[in-house]
Formats: sequence, structure tokens, C-alpha cells
Amino acid sequence: EAQVTQNPRYLITVTGKKLTVTCSQNMNHEYMSWYRQDPGLGLRQIYYSMNVEVTDKGDVPEGYKVSRKEKRNFPLILESPSPNQTSLYFCASSVGFSGANVLTFGAGSRLTVL
Amino acid sequence: AQSVTQLDSHVSVSEGTPVLLRCNYSSSYSPSLFWYVQHPNKGLQLLLKYTSAATLVKGINGFEAEFKKSETSFHLTKPSAHMSDAAEYFCVVSDRGKLSFGAGTTVTVRA
Repeated sequence: EAQVTQNPRYLITVTGKKLTVTCSQNMNHEYMSWYRQDPGLGLRQIYYSMNVEVTDKGDVPEGYKVSRKEKRNFPLILESPSPNQTSLYFCASSVGFSGANVLTFGAGSRLTVL
Repeated sequence: AQSVTQLDSHVSVSEGTPVLLRCNYSSSYSPSLFWYVQHPNKGLQLLLKYTSAATLVKGINGFEAEFKKSETSFHLTKPSAHMSDAAEYFCVVSDRGKLSFGAGTTVTVRA
């Protein structure tokens, strides 16, 4: 089944403890991206990647890192999480980075930072 | 810079009546526009997209949207709401890899 898989789905952590949210897609998509969803703000793009070793900042990249060493994986790294990073995170991918391409979303990862 | 404004944060309709979700956008270029739906505790699913072809776009589950360049709008409609349409809806503008989402409109359907 074609899908985007995120792990973990739920995580509670403490301030400053490094964590990684993994994202993997099995569709050979070139484009991958990360979003956070907060009430009343919709989804905001954190980082995106147009291909292997090519990443760029979205609207809210502060406090996050990403890497794209393989086409299928696009992990989101929080080096020193803070409570304002408590949010629902979505990974998504698409065939290419043309604006017309449709995104396939993962099921979401709910992160709580205490 | 691009942006999206969804004019209603919450819309409540009776089952069987029309639904209208309003979206205005700004973009420096000719954008692609999308509507996505998110059911509770689920990821986002594409309803429909506009990519500079026909200005009236038909999507899944009876939804359609009309692109009006002069008004910079991309409103979503459905002639007859169903209980299963209760969800959150997002208007999205896309330009060369960068996406901007509206804040979302929550739709409630009354029996």
C-alpha cells in the first residue's frame, strides 16, 4: 500500500531532551515536507526537500533540523525541544515539487514537551 | 510572498442544505490551489485541486470549487451536506515547493 509512515505517533518528552520523528514513504516521491498543526493556525510548513541532499526552510524552521540522505526518509530532529514545540506534526510527500503535485500525508505525530 | 485566508473559522449547516467554504489567496505567481479535508484524528486528504485548467473544479464526495482570478478566491461548495462531511477543511496555495495553508474551517452538520 502506498503510504507515508511517521513514528512515533505519540510522544511525551521533557525540555531539552533531543528527539527524532521519522518519516518514510514507499512511493519513490522526490518531494517531502514537514508541517506542524496548531489550533487556529492551520498547518505551517517547517522544512521541505525537493530531492536527496536538497532541503530548504519553510515558514517556521526555528528549533528544527532535517536531513535527506535517502529518497524515502526525511526525519525531523528537535535538538533541544521546548514547550512551544508541543504540537501535531505531519509529514507529507509528492511525486515532484511542481505546485500541481498532490501531497500524501502521514497520520500525524502528536508531541508534548513538558 | 503567498498567503491564504479562510474567511470562516466555523460553518454549521443542516443535513441536506448547501455548504459554502470561502477562501481568498494572494500569490505573486500563477499558483496551484487545493482543498484538503481532515476528519477527526486523521491525516489530510485531497478534495480537489486547481492547476490553471478549467476554473470550475470538481472533487470527491460531490464537492466543487471555482477559481476566480479577479477576486483571488477559491471557494468550496457542495449542494447537499451529509453527516460524513463534518470535518476540518483547509485551503492551500502552492508555488514551487512552498505551501501555505489557511487556518482551517470546521464544518458541523446538524441532523
